[in-house]
Amino acid sequence: NAGVMQNPRHLVRRRGQEARLRCSPMKGHSHVYWYRQLPEEGLKFMVYLQKENIIDESGMPKERFSAEFPKEGPSILRIQQVVRGDSAAYFCASSLLPGNTEAFFGQGTRLTVV
Amino acid sequence: AQTVTQSQPEMSVQEAETVTLSCTYDTSESNYYLFWYKQPPSRQMILVIRQEAYKQQNATENRFSVNFQKAAKSFSLKISDSQLGDTAMYFCAFMKRIQGAQKLVFGQGTRLTINP
Repeated sequence: NAGVMQNPRHLVRRRGQEARLRCSPMKGHSHVYWYRQLPEEGLKFMVYLQKENIIDESGMPKERFSAEFPKEGPSILRIQQVVRGDSAAYFCASSLLPGNTEAFFGQGTRLTVV
Repeated sequence: AQTVTQSQPEMSVQEAETVTLSCTYDTSESNYYLFWYKQPPSRQMILVIRQEAYKQQNATENRFSVNFQKAAKSFSLKISDSQLGDTAMYFCAFMKRIQGAQKLVFGQGTRLTINP
């Protein structure tokens, strides 16, 4: 049973380009959470999604950031017109049930904006 | 809003020693969970231990144990007989115990180095 899979592991984008980060949850998990980790900081919650629904996006920046979790396929975190301040590690976690206290994390995608 | 504070940015101990990492939190909730996560250089977030606030007994997982002081809002992690593989960033985290959407609130982390 594969764990949470994130790809790519490393992504380099020039300022103004788009970044797409993918997360495949563990098999059978339909709840996905995205977190951002800035250098030397803890993870910060961004968004919580269930299949085809955004449940809580209170941590998402209002502009340029969007997330989806379609019925088929991985969850996607999309950052448009990236800026240097978007450079961070982005983690995805998944859980079997809502409110499940054990969320399994992927290995993260490190985004570098040059 | 909940906040989690880890006041020790870095710690270093010798192999086989015992080390305690501190964590305090602020919340008006009475029902919640607390966690310690380990992040080795591979960046993988690994759950070390979990505590439910309504349980008075401190959680234990092999060499890892916590000292949960609910009134003081303190949640420290003790690692006994430390090993080189324990070298990592350690994050304390908080989660409200509610139905539906849940999110973890993390502290800033403590970088722990175990020296041979």
